[in-house]
Amino acid sequence: DIQMTQSQSSLSASVGDRVTITCRASQDISTYLAWLQQKPGKAPKSLIYGATNLQSGVPSRFSGSGSGTDFTLTISSLQPEDFATYYCQQYDSPVISFGGGTRVET
Amino acid sequence: QITLKESGPTVVRPTQNLTLTCTFSGFSLSASGRSVAWIRQPPGKALEWLALIAWNDYKNYRPSLKNRLSITKDTSKNEVVLMMTDMDPADTATYYCAHRPSTWSAFDAWGQGNLVTVSS
Repeated sequence: DIQMTQSQSSLSASVGDRVTITCRASQDISTYLAWLQQKPGKAPKSLIYGATNLQSGVPSRFSGSGSGTDFTLTISSLQPEDFATYYCQQYDSPVISFGGGTRVET
Repeated sequence: QITLKESGPTVVRPTQNLTLTCTFSGFSLSASGRSVAWIRQPPGKALEWLALIAWNDYKNYRPSLKNRLSITKDTSKNEVVLMMTDMDPADTATYYCAHRPSTWSAFDAWGQGNLVTVSS
């Protein structure tokens, strides 16, 4: 199975900051990588697919990069509604797997 | 607009079986490439993929739980059902269903979740 590692379980940031969240796959997954946002008590929301493509309706301050094994989610200017937990997810393998999550907090 | 909603029990006794239903709208699971998956999240923990069923009745399961899981679909009712046998307190989690629009795509819509507590 492919293991997804988010090395930062949490990070502290302020409104207006540029935030970078990283994710590493245990093997090459090309660009079959998605990023999800989850707020407390809510269902996950899909942000990015194909490593770089924004889902419809997602603000342009979110961007994704990477391919192969190393991926990054960037929030260019953190907004109050962006404080949440972010998960990466690979769908290269039929056995889908998620990272452990990175909580963005003040 | 695609919507999904999970339904089922909120409390299950240890050793009992769990049956959850995902009722969806906005797409047909008989349409080429479409699939629906189940994912769970124990309290305070990360997401864990469980099972997936596709438009052509292809099924895939988490290897460590394969012997306990069964996923089926009823295209006429727009429903996907997940059954998990021999429930344990470690299976306490919020269970989500999600839509995948094509074979090599990410999930693009999620249900609100159904919290299942396994307790005697």
